[in-house]
Order: sequence, then structure tokens, then C-alpha cells
Amino acid sequence: QSVLTQTPSASGTPGQRVTMSCSGSSSNIGSNYVYWYRQLPGTAPKLLIYRNDQRPSGVPDRFSGSKSGTSASLAISGLRSEDEADYYCAAWDDSMNGRGVFGGGTSLTVL
Amino acid sequence: EVQLLESGGGLVQPGGSLRLSCATSGFTFSTYAMSWVRQAPGKGLEWISGISGGGGTTYYGDSVKGRFTISRDNSKSTLDLQMNNLRAGDTAIYYCAKTGVTTVTTWIDYWGQGTLVTVSS
Repeated sequence: QSVLTQTPSASGTPGQRVTMSCSGSSSNIGSNYVYWYRQLPGTAPKLLIYRNDQRPSGVPDRFSGSKSGTSASLAISGLRSEDEADYYCAAWDDSMNGRGVFGGGTSLTVL
Repeated sequence: EVQLLESGGGLVQPGGSLRLSCATSGFTFSTYAMSWVRQAPGKGLEWISGISGGGGTTYYGDSVKGRFTISRDNSKSTLDLQMNNLRAGDTAIYYCAKTGVTTVTTWIDYWGQGTLVTVSS
């Protein structure tokens, strides 16, 4: 069972805006940055959002992140078929002498 | 161009040991923390270990603490993971991961292609 909780699946139609959530606690999201990754089938994950809401160069502004308290969200606007992938949130957790933690992932289907 | 190339994966019996290596290039290796992240077949990502840029600080996930040891050689720009007392549950693709800063975080800006470790008799 993952330390960070994500809804297992989400779906949307092309052009739609979808959001996915990531819930944690005071020892992780509540006190540290949140990161979001996208993983296409059979490939390594790719960084989408760092430090809660920052986009690396090359990531389109269709992707946006936010954080409030012990929860975070990833929004994708103008949904495209190529956005169909697994999305993971991650954060540092200050408990247990410090460790990295991931959410269980949200599998996004573009209908 | 940043490159991370893992090696050392393979089939090992339960209770056995394996050493993974990650050869890196394209960045100043000693400046950045590095991590190992694994993914069991059909499952999600699991952060398992991280090491600071200088190598003086290490962290481990609960599932591998006491069995795995992370290390780095800044003179060779390489990252290693010594895995002992392997269990079936350690079967996964193991990714070498570059962190975006000197300290260990879950900010991973580059990933290797992964190496498969299979623990089975």
C-alpha cells in the first residue's frame, strides 16, 4: 500500500480538462514539495511537474500542478490521445529517518 | 546530453546477491544526488534508496533497509546498488535516477532505461 494515495483510474475525452489527486500527510506532502511523473507503457517515467507547480522545459503548459495542505493535484487541459499513460505523484517523507514515497499511480484513459 | 545506463540485472535465486551499476555522463555527477527506483511487474513505482552528491548521506526505503546498500564513485561517475538476501518480492525493473539537486529528494529529472532483476528458484 502506497504512502501517497491516488485514484487508480481516470478518463476524459479529447480536448477535455482532467484532474487527478494525490493525498498524503503532514510528514510528506504537508511539509515537502510534490513531484509528478508520467509513464508511457514500456518506458521510463518522465518528470512533468517539480516543486509543486513548476514545469520543466519542454513540458507544455497544458500540464499544471498545485498543492494545498496535505494534498496535491495534477491538471491536464486540452486532453490528447497521447496523454494516455500512468501518472505518479511523489514527495519526500520526513518519517522513518527520511525516505522518498510515490503514489500508487493513476491510469489515464483518453476515450 | 544526460545519459544513465544501468547494468547488472538478471536472474538470481532467493537469498542470493546482485550488484547493479549505473554509468552516467553528460552532467557533473558529484553535484547531484542519485536514487534507485524500482517497479515490480504490473505495479507502480517504488523509491528504494538515495545518496547525496558527496556520498556522505544515504537513505533507504523500509522494504530494502538492511539488505541493500547504495554507493557512488564520483571519480568514475558511477552509482551502485548492492542487493543482498534477495526475495521474490524484489523482482522488478530497477531504474537509476538523477536528482535535480545535491540533496536526496524525489525530484528526478533523468531516468535510466532500467534493468530487470528476477528473483526466482
